[in-house]
Amino acid sequence: AQTVTQSQPEMSVQEAETVTLSCTYDTSESDYYLFWYKQPPSRQMILVIRQEAYKQQNATENRFSVNFQKAAKSFSLKISDSQLGDAAMYFCAYSPYTDKLIFGTGTRLQVFP
Amino acid sequence: DTAVSQTPKYLVTQMGNDKSIKCEQNLGHDTMYWYKQDSKKFLKIMFSYNNKELIINETVPNRFSPKSPDKAHLNLHINSLELGDSAVYFCASSQAGTGPLNTEAFFGQGTRLTVV
Repeated sequence: AQTVTQSQPEMSVQEAETVTLSCTYDTSESDYYLFWYKQPPSRQMILVIRQEAYKQQNATENRFSVNFQKAAKSFSLKISDSQLGDAAMYFCAYSPYTDKLIFGTGTRLQVFP
Repeated sequence: DTAVSQTPKYLVTQMGNDKSIKCEQNLGHDTMYWYKQDSKKFLKIMFSYNNKELIINETVPNRFSPKSPDKAHLNLHINSLELGDSAVYFCASSQAGTGPLNTEAFFGQGTRLTVV
């Protein structure tokens, strides 16, 4: 079965510092997508970053970058120069080529001034 | 202009009632989904439709019935509501397919359903 594990229920970081959120997944597929979604208190699910498994290069989006280790089935999110607005639940998600997202249990990120 | 919109945003109802949640997307996507987020924030897919055809039904009770009148709309009807149905229900859409056509899912703002 395809599963996604986020082992850090909560993380905290000081403003302007860097934090890394962990995610591992289990699959027997070779082609798939991985995502990080952010859910602030407003409840809206916002895509942060996406990685295609067939690409070796790690995805980056401004202050957000991933460390994708396909052999280890690991997909961590690094947030640089953390801002107060980054405080939210972060969900790692796996998508096979069957049109659904399989989510991890989430990591609550707190940002302190 | 909202890409994926759900109504209502909040719904409080008594056990045993029947209720519907509506979802509309204006992104021109072929695929729409319903996800359920429980009290522990865990998100799980319930259904997906592609061009009005049911693709995924993840062992959801028969009391839940999705209906897609056209590819821009996917409604969720719930019969005989139970306390355990209390959750946040998210509608989403994507231009999904195999290979490079599989793109991100865009989510609605969610409907918080409370059954009392």
